[in-house]
Parts: sequence; structure tokens; C-alpha cells
Amino acid sequence: GAVVSQHPSRVICKSGTSVKIECRSLDFQATTMFWYRQFPKQSLMLMATSNEGSKATYEQGVEKDKFLINHASLTLSTLTVTSAHPEDSSFYICSAHSGGGRGYTFGSGTRLTVV
Amino acid sequence: KNQVEQSPQSLIILEGKNCTLQCNYTVSPFSNLRWYKQDTGRGPVSLTIMTFSENTKSNGRYTATLDADTKQSSLHITASQLSDSASYICVVSAEGNNRLAFGKGNQVVVIP
Repeated sequence: GAVVSQHPSRVICKSGTSVKIECRSLDFQATTMFWYRQFPKQSLMLMATSNEGSKATYEQGVEKDKFLINHASLTLSTLTVTSAHPEDSSFYICSAHSGGGRGYTFGSGTRLTVV
Repeated sequence: KNQVEQSPQSLIILEGKNCTLQCNYTVSPFSNLRWYKQDTGRGPVSLTIMTFSENTKSNGRYTATLDADTKQSSLHITASQLSDSASYICVVSAEGNNRLAFGKGNQVVVIP
């Protein structure tokens, strides 16, 4: 149990385009999901907390108009990178708290490359 | 300063040998500590989770320890296998707070 599916696993896009990443909790409901960004050999950095049915909470320094988060249901949160630039190239990971002592479950991550 | 410090940053070990990874934290008030394994290009996968009252937890060849008084944890890998090559991340959460504090990870490389 407690599976989080993240899609796509890899995406290459051109500068200026937008990319949507999906995060689904497959066997549990998640009122809160989290979006992280990870650079090589670095810790996961929290970008925003996604709340079902309400606005996301963004960390300081994260542009909310650039990284659009939608959490329309208890099992799906999406992160859209708008007007992507090469410096947005990174590894993006979502997670959700699965409760019942199982803690936080992470998605498999999305490698975004902006060319 | 990071609230979670891990050492060593990287480690190379021979297949079949044991190794121990260290995690020191300053997160307070402490709620729980988790060890995750992250393969290259993948999301972290949970290995163990320990609360204040637990001082050891095993998951197969992985054994985690916790000393909440000294705010230290270790992850011991027994009889390492090539598939153990990964980054091992220590994650600590505070009481009453959804926010997680991540270490930078211990990069382990197991060689034949």
C-alpha cells in the first residue's frame, strides 16, 4: 500500500513552453501533497505544499506564477512549470503523507530538461 | 546551517561488507526520523521510521538506530549487495509540523 505515482518520469521541452507533472496517490487519499526540487548531490528542497481544494503554499523564493500547482482531488496534484527556462532543468519529486504510521511516500520523480 | 547533517558524504565498500551511515540533527521538538534509499534518478523509498521511544528498527539487511538524547541516528547495512548502491537520506520531522528536514544523503557505492 501507500503508492504515489508520478508522471512523466522524463520530459524534454523547449524554452518558453509549459510542462505539466502529475502526482497521484493510488491507494489512499491525500489532502496534502508536497512538491520538491532536487539538484545533483543535494537535499530535496521543498517548493510548495499542495492543499486539496485550496491554494498551494509556496516556499520563500519560489515563484507561484511560474510553478502552478493544482490539487483538484484527494488523489491528484499537478505541478505546471510555465515558460520553462534551461535553469528550470532539475529533478522534481512529489510526496504525500499516507497516514497510519507509514509516513511520507514519494513519487518516482520527474527529470525535466529544458533545451 | 542544515538541521540534518549526514556523514560520510560518500562511501565505497566491497560487496559483502558492512557499513554504517551517520545522521545528526538539531530538529526540535522531535517527532520522528526516517531513513530513505534513493536510487539515481528515482524518488526516495522508505526504509525505516522511528519515533522518540524507539531506539532501533530493522528492515531486512538495514538496521537503524536512534539516540534521541544525543540527536543521533545511524543506518547499518549488513552484507552489502551491489543493489545497495544509492543515496541514503536521513529525514527528520518536528512535532506538530508537516515540514520535513532533509539531510544531503550518504552516497554509497558497492563494488564487486
